[in-house]
Amino acid sequence: NAGVTQTPKFRILKIGQSMTLQCTQDMNHNYMYWYRQDPGMGLKLIYYSVGAGITDKGEVPNGYNVSRSTTEDFPLRLELAAPSQTSVYFCASRRTGRFGTEAFFGQGTRLTVV
Amino acid sequence: DQQVKQNSPSLSVQEGRISILNCDYTNSMFDYFLWYKKYPAEGPTFLISISSIKDKNEDGRFTVFLNKSAKHLSLHIVPSQPGDSAVYFCAASAATGTASKLTFGTGTRLQVTL
Repeated sequence: NAGVTQTPKFRILKIGQSMTLQCTQDMNHNYMYWYRQDPGMGLKLIYYSVGAGITDKGEVPNGYNVSRSTTEDFPLRLELAAPSQTSVYFCASRRTGRFGTEAFFGQGTRLTVV
Repeated sequence: DQQVKQNSPSLSVQEGRISILNCDYTNSMFDYFLWYKKYPAEGPTFLISISSIKDKNEDGRFTVFLNKSAKHLSLHIVPSQPGDSAVYFCAASAATGTASKLTFGTGTRLQVTL
């Protein structure tokens, strides 16, 4: 039972480079999320999706893009990396968006932009 | 605009004693609240939740209390164990509108000492 799998676990990017953070879940959950966690801060929502083909912005979407072509996958794209994007990124999935269900998180991707 | 607040960044408790972690929220539309636990280099894991129709939910050593009039919830851990040392996040979601989003607090680092 893999749950939510994120790759890579660590990455160092140079300013201006691009990359895709991968997220896959095998629980057939409709809802998927991308959060970032900066030191001493809580989890800030970047983007979320309520099903394949449907995505929406969270609190801090600037500099990121997402797509949701399948139920399982929800990749996060950084087009022009900036030092402000140095953070730990967490992907999560949830069975429904209503109360009564918790979100399951991946192990995180630690990204450093230099 | 921090809708979910955890005002104590850290807490130290002796093993065997009670740990009380607090969380305040400002959005009166929130109707479901969750606590997550996070160890270093891991993703958050679900601990316990409570719906706004209740004022208490218990699961083993963990109890969450909700005071809707004060927009306050707390997590009690009794007795505290060294393995409970982690960062605890409070999260909330609303029944309508942003039903699919989970809003997190900034976390409280709990250290249980021997």
